[in-house]
Amino acid sequence: RKEVEQDPGPFNVPEGATVAFNCTYSNSASQSFFWYRQDCRKEPKLLMSVYSSGNEDGRFTAQLNRASQYISLLIRDSKLSDSATYLCVVNGNTGFQKLVFGTGTRLLVSP
Amino acid sequence: EPEVTQTPSHQVTQMGQEVILRCVPISNHLYFYWYRQILGQKVEFLVSFYNNEISEKSEIFDDQFSVERPDGSNFTLKIRSTKLEDSAMYFCASSEMRDSGNTIYFGEGSWLTVV
Repeated sequence: RKEVEQDPGPFNVPEGATVAFNCTYSNSASQSFFWYRQDCRKEPKLLMSVYSSGNEDGRFTAQLNRASQYISLLIRDSKLSDSATYLCVVNGNTGFQKLVFGTGTRLLVSP
Repeated sequence: EPEVTQTPSHQVTQMGQEVILRCVPISNHLYFYWYRQILGQKVEFLVSFYNNEISEKSEIFDDQFSVERPDGSNFTLKIRSTKLEDSAMYFCASSEMRDSGNTIYFGEGSWLTVV
């Protein structure tokens, strides 16, 4: 089983749509969880951390289910500028920042 | 906003040549990292570095790789004898603390092509 697994997409949605991405991880000892955004041939940029209680940042909502080892990201009111690859990222339990990345889910928002 | 800077942005090298990729982490950060991303694949951890020594490395980071902090600002990745499969985007990153919840900041990457 892959350490972090995501549907690669692409997800093609119209502007204004709501879209959800899911991710599963295999290491039950993982401590921290994140969604990163990556534009083509650019560096990963932190979108948001993910907490068990769920957290929201504007149009973005992230959820973590530790029992199911499942992470989700919901984007409401999609904008053209949301087109990117969304990376599910998990931090292991080594104490150092060894991030484990999923392969990413590609989102294309069209006019 | 402070940022991690990397040079060169692109490098083409012949197989077997040595390559040094340079990074200037954010000034008050103490933990430094190298990650790589082969075209079309996921971002992979290579190594973490703290207090002038490697704190963790992946199985990718074999004897042909080394890291160094030669002065107070630079952090370098050296690939001793490049192979075709070393072609990738190499991202340097830094963080202020080691805690797993602490944000890691990535540089824009150095694109290495081995021919």
